[in-house]
Amino acid sequence: DIQMTQSPSSLPASVGDRVTITCRTSQSINNFLNWYQQRPGKAPRLLIYAASSLQSGVPSRFSGSGSGTDFTLTISSLQPEDFATYYCQQSDTTPVTFGQGTRLEI
Amino acid sequence: QLQLQESGPGLVKPSETLSLTCTVSGGSININGYYWGWIRQPPGKGLEWIGSIPYSGNTYYNPSLKSRVIISLDTSKNQFSLKLNSVTAADTAVYYCARQGRRVGVDYWGQGTLVTVSS
Repeated sequence: DIQMTQSPSSLPASVGDRVTITCRTSQSINNFLNWYQQRPGKAPRLLIYAASSLQSGVPSRFSGSGSGTDFTLTISSLQPEDFATYYCQQSDTTPVTFGQGTRLEI
Repeated sequence: QLQLQESGPGLVKPSETLSLTCTVSGGSININGYYWGWIRQPPGKGLEWIGSIPYSGNTYYNPSLKSRVIISLDTSKNQFSLKLNSVTAADTAVYYCARQGRRVGVDYWGQGTLVTVSS
């Protein structure tokens, strides 16, 4: 299985901050790296796919970058609705695996 | 707009079989390039991929669950299903049905259904 190491596990931040979450995979995944946002009691929502492609309807303050085994999710200016948990996921090979999550908190 | 909806019992007894169905509306499951699958999330924990199936019928399972899982398609009803046998308390989780692709990740999710394993 491909191991996903996501950091940090929690991230205190304020409205307007620029934040970055990182995800490292145990082997190269052809950039099939995706990012999700999950608010409490809700299903996850796809933000970024294939490392850097913005999903339709997602605000442009979200961006993804990286290649090989190192990837990042950046939120350029935090809004109140962005305080949630974020997960990375690789979809290159089965079993599909997720990072352990980053809780973005005020 | 594609919509997915899980249905099934919210309470299952230990050692019994958990059965869930996902009904897809707003689009067909007979589509190339996508897989229909299940992901679960124990209370307060992270996401675990259970498995998936393309419309062609070949299945892919998480090795950690493979001996207990069956995922199947019913194209006539535009549904797919999950069966997980010999459940224990560790299988208590919110179960999501989802559409996934290798390049696009999981682009559509059901709302999730909590299944509790308890006597």
